[in-house]
Amino acid sequence: GQNIDQPTEMTATEGAIVQINCTYQTSGFNGLFWYQQHAGEAPTFLSYNVLDGLEEKGRFSSFLSRSKGYSYLLLKELQMKDSASYLCAVKDSNYQLIWGAGTKLIIKP
Amino acid sequence: IAGITQAPTSQILAAGRRMTLRCTQDMRHNAMYWYRQDLGLGLRLIHYSNTAGTTGKGEVPDGYSVSRANTDDFPLTLASAVPSQTSVYFCASSEVAGGQETQYFGPGTRLLVL
Repeated sequence: GQNIDQPTEMTATEGAIVQINCTYQTSGFNGLFWYQQHAGEAPTFLSYNVLDGLEEKGRFSSFLSRSKGYSYLLLKELQMKDSASYLCAVKDSNYQLIWGAGTKLIIKP
Repeated sequence: IAGITQAPTSQILAAGRRMTLRCTQDMRHNAMYWYRQDLGLGLRLIHYSNTAGTTGKGEVPDGYSVSRANTDDFPLTLASAVPSQTSVYFCASSEVAGGQETQYFGPGTRLLVL
């Protein structure tokens, strides 16, 4: 079966750095996405990786290793507004998105 | 630009009743999707449509139907609601740019089936 694994919850301190990991086992691979979802709101797009390596976008970076079935989202200079759930999703061989359950990130002052 | 709108925002429904969740996008995206999101689970695809006039089944299609008469609208119908259909429902549409497909989500409909 297809599976996306992420930690359920993480806690970090304002101003610090946090890394959220995602491992996946899917039938085929056509890209990996990270979305941010604040409580009670819709998911919003953060990043996309299809080739191995690091993609940097401001305070957020996303890394992919296809051979290891592994990605991480790195958040720097954490702000209180970064408190949210972070969803990892993989596009499979049928070009459908398979979603992880999300990682709830709690930022403490 | 409104993006994607969904209606109603929330609804309490008696089991056995029929219900249609509405979704409209003004971005002229070809592909549209319906997901449900339940606590502790990832978003699960119910139905999708790659273009107007076509639809397909996702991971959890039973008890739901969709139609895609035009590009903008993608309604989701629960023919006879059951309590297990209590969930948050998100509609999404996607565009392909530079080889990358990005999905954009509506604000969601919170449905409680009693």
